[in-house]
Amino acid sequence: DAGVTQSPTHLIKTRGQQVTLRCSPISGHKSVSWYQQVLGQGPQFIFQYYEKEERGRGNFPDRFSARQFPNYSSELNVNALLLGDSALYLCASSLWVWDREAQYFGPGTRLLVL
Amino acid sequence: ELKVEQNPLFLSMQEGKNYTIYCNYSTTSDRLYWYRQDPGKSLESLFVLLSNGAVKQEGRLMASLDTKARLSTLHITAAVHDLSATYFCAVDMYSGGGADGLTFGKGTHLIIQP
Repeated sequence: DAGVTQSPTHLIKTRGQQVTLRCSPISGHKSVSWYQQVLGQGPQFIFQYYEKEERGRGNFPDRFSARQFPNYSSELNVNALLLGDSALYLCASSLWVWDREAQYFGPGTRLLVL
Repeated sequence: ELKVEQNPLFLSMQEGKNYTIYCNYSTTSDRLYWYRQDPGKSLESLFVLLSNGAVKQEGRLMASLDTKARLSTLHITAAVHDLSATYFCAVDMYSGGGADGLTFGKGTHLIIQP
């Protein structure tokens, strides 16, 4: 079975631009979470979606938004990009929002903002 | 605010030696996860610890959880070079109807030398 997939793998943008990142969860998983990992740090929680609804949000500005589609795939949008948004963006999927098993992470999208 | 602290943050050790990585967290939780990350890669789930006293072992790695002390350990036995990676612990603060995602430590960068 395919794991979590993300696209694109790499992305270069300039300050002020907007970016959309995509994630497809493991088949059968209904919850998707987004994390930002800055170089040398642990991942930081951005959003969790379950059944197309936002179920949790981390401490990120309103420039960050996300949505989940009926097929459980998800998009993360970041507007007005800043240099500090350069990071590895990870998507994780789990069966349910209250799933006590591990979240499974995708390969990530590496975003560079110039 | 939940805080997760790992130590050491950097560890260089010789093959064949034993060592322990510590993970302390600041708020009551009975769900703790250990992940491995290789350079430039995503996160690989190692262990899910879901109750006080939980102990899990996989090969040369063993993880344990003491919820009363808010402490988890990852013990490496007879280290081999292939275990060189960054290891993260993460705590889940899911509560009722909201999802707060995983809170990660800063990671332990482990180098195992011949």
